[in-house]
Amino acid sequence: AQSVSQHNHHVILSEAASLELGCNYSYGGTVNLFWYVQYPGQHLQLLLKYFSGDPLVKGIKGFEAEFIKSKFSFNLRKPSVQWSDTAEYFCAVNGYGGATNKLIFGTGTLLAVQP
Amino acid sequence: KAGVTQTPRYLIKTRGQQVTLSCSPISGHRSVSWYQQTPGQGLQFLFEYFSETQRNKGNFPGRFSGRQFSNSRSEMNVSTLELGDSALYLCASSPSRGGNTDTQYFGPGTRLTVL
Repeated sequence: AQSVSQHNHHVILSEAASLELGCNYSYGGTVNLFWYVQYPGQHLQLLLKYFSGDPLVKGIKGFEAEFIKSKFSFNLRKPSVQWSDTAEYFCAVNGYGGATNKLIFGTGTLLAVQP
Repeated sequence: KAGVTQTPRYLIKTRGQQVTLSCSPISGHRSVSWYQQTPGQGLQFLFEYFSETQRNKGNFPGRFSGRQFSNSRSEMNVSTLELGDSALYLCASSPSRGGNTDTQYFGPGTRLTVL
C-alpha cells in the first residue's frame, strides 16, 4: 500500500531562516507528488506538484521541491521564510495511474514562523 | 469562478443518527473527491466520483456512502454515527477525467461533531 511520511510534525523558524520539510513515500511505481498548504482559517490549496520532467519543481510564493527517485523523497524548500508562511503543510502522492484523483496524504507539518 | 462550497459548515449530531453533507464543485469540474481529516489520522480518502459514478473508494465502513448528481454536485452520507466519526469532511473538485496529475481544489469543509 502507498504511504507518505512527513518527519517533522512541528517546525518553528525565525523570519528569513531557510526551510526544508521532509517527505518520503513508499511506492515503487510511477508517482505524482504534491505539496498542499493550509493557512490558518483557509482552505487546503496546492503549493506545487511533480509528475514528470525536471525533478526540481517551483511553486507559488517562492516554494520549491525536489523529487529524488532513488530516495523516494520529495522535500519542500524555501530559502527565506516569512511570517505569512505560518501554516500546515501536507505532502501527498498519487501512484494509481491515470484513473483516479485519489491522494494519500502525509500527517502534515505545522510551521510557525516567528517575526 | 466561485470555489468549492460545502454545506453545512458545522453540524452537531448524536450517536446513532445519520447525516448528509453536500458539496458543490467549481463550475465545469466533473470530478469530486471526499476526505476525512482528524487530528489522529490526518487526511484520509473516502471516495471519488466522476460523471455520477464512483471511481474509487477508501478504506471506510459501509456506513459511509456518497453519490454524485448530473450537475456534478455530490453528497456524502454517514449512517449510524459513532463518536469516532467526528472530523472535518473535505470535498475537492478537479476539472477533468480524474487524471492523476490534476490539481484538486478543496472546499472549506464541514465540521461534524458527534456527541
